[in-house]
Amino acid sequence: KQEVTQIPAALSVPEGENLVLNCSFTDSAIYNLQWFRQDPGKGLTSLLLIQSSQREQTSGRLNASLDKSSGRSTLYIAASQPGDSATYLCAVRSGSARQLTFGSGTQLTVLP
Amino acid sequence: DVKVTQSSRYLVKRTGEKVFLECVQDMDHENMFWYRQDPGLGLRLIYFSYDVKMKEKGDIPEGYSVSREKKERFSLILESASTNQTSMYLCASSHPRGGGVTGELFFGEGSRLTVL
Repeated sequence: KQEVTQIPAALSVPEGENLVLNCSFTDSAIYNLQWFRQDPGKGLTSLLLIQSSQREQTSGRLNASLDKSSGRSTLYIAASQPGDSATYLCAVRSGSARQLTFGSGTQLTVLP
Repeated sequence: DVKVTQSSRYLVKRTGEKVFLECVQDMDHENMFWYRQDPGLGLRLIYFSYDVKMKEKGDIPEGYSVSREKKERFSLILESASTNQTSMYLCASSHPRGGGVTGELFFGEGSRLTVL
């Protein structure tokens, strides 16, 4: 059974810092991996989707990488801003599954 | 833009009431999902559907049922609401994997249900 872990559970950084959020998964036979952002009391917003054949995806200040062999993905946020404060979740769709397995998220606070 | 719309952002119901949570998507997605999210427990899958009139149990289906009569609409039903069903409910949709589509998952804004 796929398990997804995100460490740390919470992270606080000063504005302007570059940061990396980590996601690890136990079964490398994945179809894709998706990063989401969630603001308090809201739904999840899709940030980046990486297919199993890809190594990374970029959108603006965000870059997500995927290393299937080590069971890891990272979300890199450049020049962080207070508006980036949110919970970031990663989710993995395993090769044979219709649904995703979610990590528990990293709560990011960017201090002005 | 893909849009997943949940009918109610906030609901307050009493124990024993029947509750309907509606979800509509506008991207012709085959797959639709209902999750609940609770502090410390993360996202848990209740039910999902991969086609009209088809449904499969997720991790925590007890106390819930679903209905998918049309492709764009997926309803979650609490036959007799209980206080332990107080939660944030999230609907999501996607294409199935393969076939040249990405299988990206899109969520609605969520429905915060309080059962008194």
